[in-house]
Amino acid sequence: EIVLTQSPGTLSLSPGERATLSCRASQSVSSSYLAWYQQKPGQAPRLLIYGASSRATGIPDRFSGSGSGTDFTLTISRLEPEDLAVYYCQQYDRSLWTFGQGTKVEIK
Amino acid sequence: QITLRESGPTLVKPTQTLTLTCTFSGFSLSTSGVGVGWIRQPPGKALEWLAVIYWDDDKRYSPSLKSRLTITKDTSKNQVVLTMTNMDPVDTATYYCAHRRGYNWNPWGQGTLVTVSS
Repeated sequence: EIVLTQSPGTLSLSPGERATLSCRASQSVSSSYLAWYQQKPGQAPRLLIYGASSRATGIPDRFSGSGSGTDFTLTISRLEPEDLAVYYCQQYDRSLWTFGQGTKVEIK
Repeated sequence: QITLRESGPTLVKPTQTLTLTCTFSGFSLSTSGVGVGWIRQPPGKALEWLAVIYWDDDKRYSPSLKSRLTITKDTSKNQVVLTMTNMDPVDTATYYCAHRRGYNWNPWGQGTLVTVSS
């Protein structure tokens, strides 16, 4: 089973700043199989990025994904107050899915 | 527009069996390639994938919970049912069902909180 480790655990930034979230896999993951989700307080998760770098429908272009192999990154170019959330990476491998433990983004 | 909604008991006792129903609209589980899955989230903790069922009745389970889980579908009712046996307080969580799109989950239901307590 592939384990995903996200860092940092918590990120505290001001509006307008750039947020960089990391997701590291215990073994290589196909870029096609790596996704990011956003979970706002009290809400269900929402798909942000799929295929490591493709934005889901309706996702603002300040969200971008990159990476390959074992290292993937979610970048929020200019933080907005509504970006307060926990962000999870997810991978698919041999018909099984696993999630990272999440990165909490706080707005100062 | 695809929507999903989870239903089931909010409280179960230890050792009991949990039965959750996912009722969906906007797609058919008889269409090739379609899948519906279950994911749970203990309070304040991370997401954990549990199971998926596909249009052809193929089923996959989380290895760590496989012995306790059963997923079934009723295509005519647009429903997917998840059963989990031998419930324990550590199974207290919000349980989500979601539509499988490619290798991702999109969208998700609102979730249902299940508490395991005597």
